[in-house]
Amino acid sequence: EVQLVESGGGLVQPGRSLRLSCAASGFTFDDYAMHWVRHAPGKGLEWVSGISWNSGSTGYADSVKGRFTISRDNAKNSLFLQMNSLRAEDTALYYCTKGIRAVALDSYFDYWGQGTLVTVSS
Amino acid sequence: EIVMTQSPATLSVSPGEGAALSCRASQSAGSNLAWYQQKPGQAPRLLIYGASIRATGIPARFSGSGSGTEFTLTISILQSEDFAVYYCQQYDNWPITFGQGTRLEIK
Repeated sequence: EVQLVESGGGLVQPGRSLRLSCAASGFTFDDYAMHWVRHAPGKGLEWVSGISWNSGSTGYADSVKGRFTISRDNAKNSLFLQMNSLRAEDTALYYCTKGIRAVALDSYFDYWGQGTLVTVSS
Repeated sequence: EIVMTQSPATLSVSPGEGAALSCRASQSAGSNLAWYQQKPGQAPRLLIYGASIRATGIPARFSGSGSGTEFTLTISILQSEDFAVYYCQQYDNWPITFGQGTRLEIK
């Protein structure tokens, strides 16, 4: 059974940093690209970032480019999102999602975690 | 960036009836379109990919159609568990984009 378990969310002040983690199991982690998708209160889903199986390709939404960094550790079946210079508009539930290809980041998402909540507020 | 527009924002339907949810792309997305269902407190669940291919375990009452800029998710006979928010997503063009969602509520 595929499982994606996010952690690391919390309440943080504007301008500070936070690092999200996602522990994956139930599939061959390094066969697939992985992504982060967020859901802000009262809004729709927003793709945030994606990373190819070997970390050779990464992509970011314009809204987070230059502030967020995605990474992965295939030996530990883990995905990460380093979030710096956080803003109030980054407040959202952040989902770890599995892509359907190894390299290409244009993908739909066949498995989702339950999400970790990030609240940016003073 | 391809902008995805879903309509209506809210659809009120009685159980046992059918429903058609629309998703329009600002430019062609080919057949690279997925649909998701999200219930309160739950993660989104993949329903349809490739515009018309049902994901594993999805009941046959869910069907997807369309290509290019116009897509439709049809639910043939609504069950109580189908009342939720539905999102479309294009993965034809970078960056990946979602629609704003259609809330399907009980009439």
